[in-house]
This record gives sequence, C-alpha cells and structure tokens, in this order.
Amino acid sequence: DGGITQSPKYLFRKEGQNVTLSCEQNLNHDAMYWYRQDPGQGLRLIYYSQIVNDFQKGDIAEGYSVSREKKESFPLTVTSAQKNPTAFYLCASSIRGQGYGYTFGSGTRLTVV
Amino acid sequence: LAKTTQPISMDSYEGQEVNITCSHNNIATNDYITWYQQFPSQGPRFIIQGYKTKVTNEVASLFIPADRKSSTLSLPRVSLSDTAVYYCLVVDTSGTYKYIFGTGTRLKVLA
Repeated sequence: DGGITQSPKYLFRKEGQNVTLSCEQNLNHDAMYWYRQDPGQGLRLIYYSQIVNDFQKGDIAEGYSVSREKKESFPLTVTSAQKNPTAFYLCASSIRGQGYGYTFGSGTRLTVV
Repeated sequence: LAKTTQPISMDSYEGQEVNITCSHNNIATNDYITWYQQFPSQGPRFIIQGYKTKVTNEVASLFIPADRKSSTLSLPRVSLSDTAVYYCLVVDTSGTYKYIFGTGTRLKVLA
C-alpha cells in the first residue's frame, strides 16, 4: 500500500542536541511538507519542498533544517537553536501543482528531557 | 494570502447531523477544498473534497456555494467516535500552490 511513514513515533531529546525525524513516502508525490502541532493548536508549516534538491521555509522555519536528496525522503532536523522543540511533528506529501490536498504521516512526538 | 475561519468548538449529541463551516477568501478559483479529521496524536485523515456545489461520500457531504467563499462539512448522524478536530484545507490564490489550513473545529459528541 502506498503511504507516508514517519519514524520514530516517539523521540526524546536532551537539551542542546540535534535530532532528525524521518519521513518517507512511496506515493510518487513531488511535494513534501513538515508541520508542527502544539497541544490543542492547529498545524504550522515549517518547511516544504516541491521538487528534489529544492525546499522553502514555511512560517516557523527557525531552528529547523531539511534536505531533499531523494523524491521519497524529506528528513527534518530539529537543531539546538530551536528553543522550544517539544511538539507533535507531521509530515505530508502532495501531487505538485494540483490542489488535491495532502496525505499525512502518523506523526512523531518529540519531547525535550 | 487566503484566510480561513472555523468555529473553535461544537458540541452535538449522538444521532444528530453536524454542520461545520469554514469561511475562506482569496482562494484559488480552480482547486479543491478539502476537509480532514484528526484524532489526538494522529495525522489528519482525509474526509472529503470538492470543487463546487455538493459532494457526498460514505461518511460526509460537502456543500460549496457558487462564490466559493465558504464550505460546509456535513456529518450525518454523528456517533461518539466522531469526536475529533476537523480542518478545512484550501489553496491560496497566489499561484504558488500554497495550501492554507483552517483553524480547526473541535467537535465533541455527547451520549
């Protein structure tokens, strides 16, 4: 079955550490996205990529970095510069240039300890 | 940029029909309006999508007026398991195919 896989489901980070969240899709979608969701809040866009080797900052990119070396993969690194990284992170993909909406992964919950 | 507005929360009783409206302006004229359901600690799940007028599937209906400045998700005969947050998703009119999420409506279904 086609879909998006996020791993790990739960992640714990110590203060000052960088951590990388994985997102892989086999839907052959060109565009991929990372969202952050805080408790009881909506989704905020961190980064997005519409084609391989290209990505753009979203609304809250500070303290995060991404890469898009392969069509299937869009990893997100939460750096030590992100002062409040504890949140639920969602990856999504879509067909580029067509407004059919997103397919979402199941999310990664990151907690700073 | 497109802007969206949804009611923050709604309560309903089991068996009732629930209508959730998303107001949106400056959206792309030729793209879909999509609705998602999200349970706690899960990714949003696709419910229904439409371009204009009315669309119905096995779980919901979507009503979109001709001016496309709003859309209404209709859930017939809700059950306790429909308690969730519901989001609309539209495409911004800027031509960049930027998606804009609604603010989300927290639906609580009561027994």
